[in-house]
Amino acid sequence: GAVVSQHPSRVICKSGTSVKIECRSLDFQATTMFWYRQFPKQSLMLMATSNEGSKATYEQGVEKDKFLINHASLTLSTLTVTSAHPEDSSFYICSASNAGGNTGELFFGEGSRLTVL
Amino acid sequence: AQKITQTQPGMFVQEKEAVTLDCTYDTSDPSYGLFWYKQPSSGEMIFLIYQGSYDQQNATEGRYSLNFQKARKSANLVISASQLGDSAMYFCAMKGAGGSYIPTFGRGTSLIVHP
Repeated sequence: GAVVSQHPSRVICKSGTSVKIECRSLDFQATTMFWYRQFPKQSLMLMATSNEGSKATYEQGVEKDKFLINHASLTLSTLTVTSAHPEDSSFYICSASNAGGNTGELFFGEGSRLTVL
Repeated sequence: AQKITQTQPGMFVQEKEAVTLDCTYDTSDPSYGLFWYKQPSSGEMIFLIYQGSYDQQNATEGRYSLNFQKARKSANLVISASQLGDSAMYFCAMKGAGGSYIPTFGRGTSLIVHP
């Protein structure tokens, strides 16, 4: 099946620094990727929808200047957490679909666990 | 708007027995897809099974089957012959067509399989 790769899987950084997380679709072109945040024992919270070649669409309450999303190619989307603070510590996971509409499996990256000290 | 409801925060099952995880949904889209994912403690999301709204047959994948009752808007996951490795969080999700293509997830059910 199609594969989505996410990197890094774990990152620890100091407060105030920026962290970039990459999400790559390895064997298909993903015009749309989704970025989620997940708190312990909770569901996935959609942060934004990343569209190739255009600006990301952010969900209500998500700071777009804080969480910068770039989808420069059909196989790569990046999430940059700018000026990270301890409250940004979380599990971030991306997904992509190899088909539009209601069909097409959603493929997930492995997730990135961010810890801000 | 789409909505997924998983009413069971936690479920317990004895090894080798079957278990049903509940999922109900709501959507105004006539065309949609329903998914189940497993998330072990490592965090990865593992695709289990998919059911399209126009599929006549209930989806099956090995020990997983989806009990799709369209009129009741339910899409329960049945795991047969539970194994210890099935212990994980399970999420039901839905994608619609057109403007509802953004996936919606339920709150998840934590399944614990006892030996």
